Amino acid sequence: GESVGLHLPTLSVQEGDNSIINCAYSNSASDYFIWYKQESGKGPQFIIDIRSNMDKRQGQRVTVLLNKTVKHLSLQIAATQPGDSAVYFCAELFSGGYNKLIFGAGTRLAVHP
Amino acid sequence: DAGVIQSPRHEVTEMGQEVTLRCKPISGHNSLFWYRQTMMRGLELLIYFNNNVPIDDSGMPEDRFSAKMPNASFSTLKIQPSEPRDSAVYFCASSLAGVDEKLFFGSGTQLSVL
Repeated sequence: GESVGLHLPTLSVQEGDNSIINCAYSNSASDYFIWYKQESGKGPQFIIDIRSNMDKRQGQRVTVLLNKTVKHLSLQIAATQPGDSAVYFCAELFSGGYNKLIFGAGTRLAVHP
Repeated sequence: DAGVIQSPRHEVTEMGQEVTLRCKPISGHNSLFWYRQTMMRGLELLIYFNNNVPIDDSGMPEDRFSAKMPNASFSTLKIQPSEPRDSAVYFCASSLAGVDEKLFFGSGTQLSVL
């Protein structure tokens, strides 16, 4: 069988609180970043993206912040709801030979009533 | 739009058998991607097609894996012969044009090789 695998970090929040999920990326030349949400038994779902010429981008209840200096990306979810419970992945567009979207390991968000 | 459609949803097979996974991308999307997801390695890109042509297959683990895209609305990922270590969830995704557009994922095929 499979040996022990990745242990996803978990962020536990109370319903109604704001959530911040962090991600460190690897390539300083990456110029496109995306956040995906994956619910149990489903494929990843696009949430929001940001290009490297921006520091911040806002969507509905979500904000992505990009700090190129320290190669850090964060996803902020306002007024977190039970339906936000999922695994969240950041992805960077890695430019090395062929452009390739590289996904991070993911963070599990658990929302408690 | 129905989104990206994958079949089968679940596949259980015995070691050594051939496995074929199928994908129908979103109509009008020019790029198609096959990803594999495991607890050990997370989401890995296997192969990427643009306009039905394989662009990057560097993620295909070995010769047992092959992928085809005979037309803009259909792609297959074949494993022959399958091994227990191939057990994973296989996702197909499509985008309008290339990797720097948002990807739309299917629901995946859960493959178990016994």
